Amino acid sequence: KQEVTQIPAALSVPEGENLVLNCSFTDSAIYNLQWFRQDPGKGLTSLLLIQSSQREQTSGRLNASLDKSSGRSTLYIAASQPGDSATYLCAVRGDTGANSKLTFGKGITLSVRP
Amino acid sequence: EADIYQTPRYLVIGTGKKITLECSQTMGHDKMYWYQQDPGMELHLIHYSYGVNSTEKGDLSSESTVSRIRTEHFPLTLESARPSHTSQYLCASRGAGELFFGEGSRLTVL
Repeated sequence: KQEVTQIPAALSVPEGENLVLNCSFTDSAIYNLQWFRQDPGKGLTSLLLIQSSQREQTSGRLNASLDKSSGRSTLYIAASQPGDSATYLCAVRGDTGANSKLTFGKGITLSVRP
Repeated sequence: EADIYQTPRYLVIGTGKKITLECSQTMGHDKMYWYQQDPGMELHLIHYSYGVNSTEKGDLSSESTVSRIRTEHFPLTLESARPSHTSQYLCASRGAGELFFGEGSRLTVL
């Protein structure tokens, strides 16, 4: 059974700092990995999707990397801003096909202090 | 920007009432999902559908039911709401890869 872990559960940093959010998974046989952002009381916003054959994806100040063999992904946020404060979740899809199961981590709640 | 919509965004009702949470997407996605999330807690999959007339129960047992009569529409129904059903319900859809979520429906049952 796939397990997705995100540690720490919460993180507080000063504005302007570059930071890395970690995601680890136990089964390296994955189809893809997706990073989401969730603001309080809202739905999830997709940030980046990395296919199993890819090593990284970039969107603006965000860069996500994937190392399947070690079961790890990182989300790098450059020059953090107070508006980046939210909960960041990673989710892994198994490689048994396009309909395989998606497993979510519990998320990391990020607070960026002005 | 994802085109997936949920209504109502907030609903407060009394015990025993029947409620339907609506979810619609305009992206032509075959796969649609309902997740349940309590405040500060993880998401739990309660229902999913891979196409019209296809519905399955998810990992978390739920007293709710769903239907998929049209590709774009995936409503969730509770026949008799109870306080234990108080939660946020998130609808999502997917084409070939990326999963998109609606804004969620926060249900409070008194």
